[in-house]
Amino acid sequence: QVQLVQSGAEVKKPGSSVKVSCKASGGTFSSYTISWVRQAPGQGLEWMGRIIPILGIANYAQKFQGRVTITADKSTSTAYMELSSLRSEDTAVYYCARDTGGDDYGFDYWGQGTLVTVSS
Amino acid sequence: SYELTQPPSVSVSPGQTARITCSGDALPKQYAYWYQQKPGQAPVLVIYKDSERPSGIPERFSGSSSGTTVTLTISGVQAEDEADYYCQSADSSGTCWVFGGGTKLTVL
Repeated sequence: QVQLVQSGAEVKKPGSSVKVSCKASGGTFSSYTISWVRQAPGQGLEWMGRIIPILGIANYAQKFQGRVTITADKSTSTAYMELSSLRSEDTAVYYCARDTGGDDYGFDYWGQGTLVTVSS
Repeated sequence: SYELTQPPSVSVSPGQTARITCSGDALPKQYAYWYQQKPGQAPVLVIYKDSERPSGIPERFSGSSSGTTVTLTISGVQAEDEADYYCQSADSSGTCWVFGGGTKLTVL
């Protein structure tokens, strides 16, 4: 059984950065793709980007290009999402999810979510 | 940028059939996925590859595809099905994922 456990809630100042972690257990981490999805209060789901840990290759939604960096540490089975130049509109719950990509099974496992609050 | 369009809300009485649509130009070429999200919880995958149901998802959930529109059908709706539902698919290049705006299903 795959489990994705995310780091705890964060409060950040505008202009700063936040780094959220997602530790995987069960399955073979290197064979996953991990996607990051955010949800602002009362709003819908928004895909931010993904990484293929075995290759270390990431791609990002155009909206977040230049401001988001997704990385993975195979030795600890942990993926990270760093978002910079934070503004109030980045206040959201951030989720990681296992992205089955080319196998076309969808996002079958999700982390519990991490609330990031951006406030002066 | 690519968009998937869903109705903001759908309302049905218990036992009736709910249909939630999702439209997008690339849907004839890309699979669609559906997620259920209840307040304060992470989304749950209920349909993959347009019409396949993951293990553990009740048979009353089904999906279909026709041209640029995919549909999630919930037959014999129960009170526990009240939730937000999101469609997901890839853009025409298959490079990026996109979510629809979400549909709030209300069970009257």
